[in-house]
Amino acid sequence: GAVVSQHPSRVICKSGTSVKIECRSLDFQATTMFWYRQFPKQSLMLMATSNEGSKATYEQGVEKDKFLINHASLTLSTLTVTSAHPEDSSFYICSAGTSGEQETQYFGPGTRLLVL
Amino acid sequence: AQSVTQPDIHITVSEGASLELRCNYSYGATPYLFWYVQSPGQGLQLLLKYFSGDTLVQGIKGFEAEFKRSQSSFNLRKPSVHWSDAAEYFCAARDDYKLSFGAGTTVTVRA
Repeated sequence: GAVVSQHPSRVICKSGTSVKIECRSLDFQATTMFWYRQFPKQSLMLMATSNEGSKATYEQGVEKDKFLINHASLTLSTLTVTSAHPEDSSFYICSAGTSGEQETQYFGPGTRLLVL
Repeated sequence: AQSVTQPDIHITVSEGASLELRCNYSYGATPYLFWYVQSPGQGLQLLLKYFSGDTLVQGIKGFEAEFKRSQSSFNLRKPSVHWSDAAEYFCAARDDYKLSFGAGTTVTVRA
């Protein structure tokens, strides 16, 4: 149980285009989903937290107009990198949280974005 | 400030030997604690978690972790390492709903 998928696993795009990444909880309903960014050889940096049906909460320093997050249902959240530039190239990982006091985050396999 | 520290950046261990990865946290109250493992190019897999109760927690893949309040530590252990355990290991603490991660420890397993 507690499986989270991400699509695509890898994407290459041209500078200036937008890229959408999907995150799905396959066997549970996730009230909250999280988006992280990971640079090579580094830890995960939380970008934003999204709750189903409401606006995402962005961490300090993360541009909300650059990284659009939509959490349309209890099993799907999307991250759109708008007008991507080479510095947006990174590994993006989502997680979905189970509900309740003992909430645990389960992570997707990640999406490697390369902007040329 | 709240933080999670993993003092060891890189550990090399022989196959079959024991492994211990250190994790210290700095929080006002005891947070919920987690260990995750990440293989190259992959997402994170939950190994185990501690919320309360028994301070020795058993996880998947033969891993266990011990919570020590007096030392603000949550060290991960495995009695006998397999080559497939080579990966990046992250300790994390949850305060409210956010996870804070340590910098990670890279484990290399030599034959």
